[in-house]
Amino acid sequence: DGGITQSPKYLFRKEGQNVTLSCEQNLNHDAMYWYRQDPGQGLRLIYYSQIVNDFQKGDIAEGYSVSREKKESFPLTVTSAQKNPTAFYLCASSPRSGEAPRGTGELFFGEGSRLTVL
Amino acid sequence: DAKTTQPTSMDCAEGRAANLPCNHSTISGNEYVYWYRQIHSQGPQYIIHGLKNNETNEMASLIITEDRKSSTLILPHATLRDTAVYYCIVRATFMYSGGGADGLTFGKGTHLIIQP
Repeated sequence: DGGITQSPKYLFRKEGQNVTLSCEQNLNHDAMYWYRQDPGQGLRLIYYSQIVNDFQKGDIAEGYSVSREKKESFPLTVTSAQKNPTAFYLCASSPRSGEAPRGTGELFFGEGSRLTVL
Repeated sequence: DAKTTQPTSMDCAEGRAANLPCNHSTISGNEYVYWYRQIHSQGPQYIIHGLKNNETNEMASLIITEDRKSSTLILPHATLRDTAVYYCIVRATFMYSGGGADGLTFGKGTHLIIQP
């Protein structure tokens, strides 16, 4: 089935370590996004990519890095510079206008990765 | 980037219609209204979207006022599984926005609780 797969679902890391969260989609979408969600809060945009080999900072990019070497993959690295990395991380993708069966600009989300820093 | 305002929480009895309001008074002519919902600890799920006409699908109906400054999401026969946080966002299509980040921030949404 087509969709977005995030891994791992749960991750623990020690303070000062970098960690990479995986996001893979087989929907043939051009655009991909990473969000962070803290308890009781909405979703804040970390990074987004409209096309392969290009990405842009979102609202809270400090302490994070991404790459977009392949259309289907958009990994997020949480670096040791991120002061409060414990959070729920969500990856999403969207098609270009006119390519979605249900409409344009719709975001498709993965099931999320919960990162806990010990 | 249009902002939206939603109530923090709402209750609805099971089997009744749930009506979730959203204000978006600064919406631009090329911006759509999108609704998503997020069940606890899962990724948000698309529900419906519209530009200016009312829309209906198998999940819900979307009523947009004539001036487009507000909208209402209607779940016609709410069930316990509809308990979730509902997000209303406005954004231009990928084409009009150039694929930018406008309208990609989700606020706190409305926590809808369906009571048995």
